[in-house]
Amino acid sequence: SAVISQKPSRDICQRGTSLTIQCQVDSQVTMMFWYRQQPGQSLTLIATANQGSEATYESGFVIDKFPISRPNLTFSTLTVSNMSPEDSSIYLCSVATEGQYFGPGTRLTVT
Amino acid sequence: QKEVEQDPGPLSVPEGAIVSLNCTYSNSAFQYFMWYRQYSRKGPELLMYTYSSGNKEDGRFTAQVDKSSKYISLFIRDSQPSDSATYLCAMSANTGRRALTFGSGTRLQVQP
Repeated sequence: SAVISQKPSRDICQRGTSLTIQCQVDSQVTMMFWYRQQPGQSLTLIATANQGSEATYESGFVIDKFPISRPNLTFSTLTVSNMSPEDSSIYLCSVATEGQYFGPGTRLTVT
Repeated sequence: QKEVEQDPGPLSVPEGAIVSLNCTYSNSAFQYFMWYRQYSRKGPELLMYTYSSGNKEDGRFTAQVDKSSKYISLFIRDSQPSDSATYLCAMSANTGRRALTFGSGTRLQVQP
């Protein structure tokens, strides 16, 4: 298993600003993922972030809007850029070991 | 049609009942199957992880995978009020990518 922490746990941001979410894992992992969970919905994959390579984005998500860094095997950041109210969601990072484990999430509200 | 279908519920059962949660899927490439429990305002917690077909048991939880029918199940025995949560099925293909496709989640309420 893996223990994952995220910062911040929640934030309220104004339209047009950006927020960077941090994800820290207690062990070295190759595969990290960023998901979004909109209110009352299930999880949707934003991108896959492997250390040493560019993040791979899913259909509907672009690097300019959701830039991702993966500087080492225990850490990643996701930035939500130029936010609008439609970006209000829970953002979760995840790592794949034998199963796939999730952090506690960052609850973002955009006003 | 969604790749993974899951009845959203809510499902309400009395304490001590056996709960059956199910998902169907359309992508025959899926090989890894997971069940998560998510409490309100928390991240998903991995309950069960299975590869390919068969059964897996862990305490009160049993996961079943029937790849021929593209159907997976999670059984909870002797359900407790603390089991009240949303249960999400998730699956991925047997590739290096390992990204998950989720069902919509079933909300379970266990009445004391």
